[in-house]
Amino acid sequence: KAGVTQTPRYLIKTRGQQVTLSCSPISGHRSVSWYQQTPGQGLQFLFEYFSETQRNKGNFPGRFSGRQFSNSRSEMNVSTLELGDSALYLCASSMDRGSDTQYFGPGTRLTVL
Amino acid sequence: DAKTTQPNSMESNEEEPVHLPCNHSTISGTDYIHWYRQLPSQGPEYVIHGLTSNVNNRMASLAIAEDRKSSTLILHRATLRDAAVYYCILMTIYGGSQGNLIFGKGTKLSVKP
Repeated sequence: KAGVTQTPRYLIKTRGQQVTLSCSPISGHRSVSWYQQTPGQGLQFLFEYFSETQRNKGNFPGRFSGRQFSNSRSEMNVSTLELGDSALYLCASSMDRGSDTQYFGPGTRLTVL
Repeated sequence: DAKTTQPNSMESNEEEPVHLPCNHSTISGTDYIHWYRQLPSQGPEYVIHGLTSNVNNRMASLAIAEDRKSSTLILHRATLRDAAVYYCILMTIYGGSQGNLIFGKGTKLSVKP
C-alpha cells in the first residue's frame, strides 16, 4: 500500500497570501489529521476530519481551515499568511476514529517571506 | 490533557540496548501510552503503544510500570537508523472518537558507531 502523500513538498509564499496544502491518506483510511511543526512550538494538532466533517480542532486561529472530500483526501488552507506560519505541515491518516495508530506523511515545508 | 515528561536527549552506542524513560504521573484510566519517533527530515512514525501490560513488536518493547505513572521504551539493539526524536504520548480513545496526539518535546536519541 502507498503511504500518506502530501503535495507540494515545499512552498514559498509571501505575507498576506493564502495557501492550500493537499493530503492523500492511505487507501482505506477514513480519518485525516493535520499538525503544524515549528522549532519553537514543536508538533501541534490543527484539526481532524472524518467522513468529510471536522471532528476535532486545535487551538489555531480561524485563518487555518480544512476540508475532506468523499474519497477521504483532505486539504488545509491558510489565509492571510503571516511570517509565523512558516512551518512543516504534517498530515496523518488512520483507519477509523478510535484507531490506535496514525500514519504520517512526509510533510509540506511552508516558508512565508 | 495529561502530560508526559521525557529527558531532552540521550546517547547510545550502536548495537547496545537503549532505555528511553517517560513519566506520566497524571495518566487516567482511559489513556493509552503511545510512542512515535521522528527521523530527520521525515514525518513521525508509530513505534508502539500499550495500556497496562508490557508490549513487544518488531521495532521495540514497551515496559509499563504497575501504577502506570511511567513507562520505558526499549530498543534492544540500537542502530544508526534509530537516531531520532522519540515522543511519548498519552492518547485517550473514548466513545469511538479519535484522540488527538499531543506531542511534547520528546527525547533526541543519538547513536554512536
